Amino acid sequence: DSGVTQTPKHLITATGQRVTLRCSPRSGDLSVYWYQQSLDQGLQFLIQYYNGEERAKGNILERFSAQQFPDLHSELNLSSLELGDSALYFCASSVGEVTDTQYFGPGTRLTVL
Amino acid sequence: GDSVTQMEGPVTLSEEAFLTINCTYTATGYPSLFWYVQYPGEGLQLLLKATKADDKGSNKGFEATYRKETTSFHLEKGSVQVSDSAVYFCALSVAGTYKYIFGTGTRLKVLA
Repeated sequence: DSGVTQTPKHLITATGQRVTLRCSPRSGDLSVYWYQQSLDQGLQFLIQYYNGEERAKGNILERFSAQQFPDLHSELNLSSLELGDSALYFCASSVGEVTDTQYFGPGTRLTVL
Repeated sequence: GDSVTQMEGPVTLSEEAFLTINCTYTATGYPSLFWYVQYPGEGLQLLLKATKADDKGSNKGFEATYRKETTSFHLEKGSVQVSDSAVYFCALSVAGTYKYIFGTGTRLKVLA
């Protein structure tokens, strides 16, 4: 158990819909990272927050957005969902900003029908 | 730009065989290097890391040495077990740049 929690574990929805994925980092960790893992594209970095502020952006679509709240939990919002958005979404946390070890949650499996 | 290149998988070995998974990197600064492992149905977890040249990271019988001259961080294990079957990711981070880059992952399958 990494100490990072993600909810829900599974999510099934339809194209065009909007969903919110939630992540609670390990106690004391200030950075939260979001990743998308699909079979054909491996692990893709989406976005990083540090202590409530956006720090780095990766291959995140404009239909996707995220935020980190004052209690340090984070939410990833996915809208206008497409079939290709079906994937595992991982959240990770670390103590500091970049070079620290990342601790991954168990992931949310999103299926778009 | 900064990048990580891993050998293609899947790698299939018999139990007790020697394992090498190659990883090379490109970085403009002085990166820290990591190996993460993802067991079936789980998130990634840190296997080992090295923060400067010539450092050797080790854990659970796995080892990797930070080689600046060859820009490599190859993962090795002398005798693999069926329980080592997983996907292995090489990664780097560069201080001061907010970059944390993962390789594409190498799937290892160990047969009894």
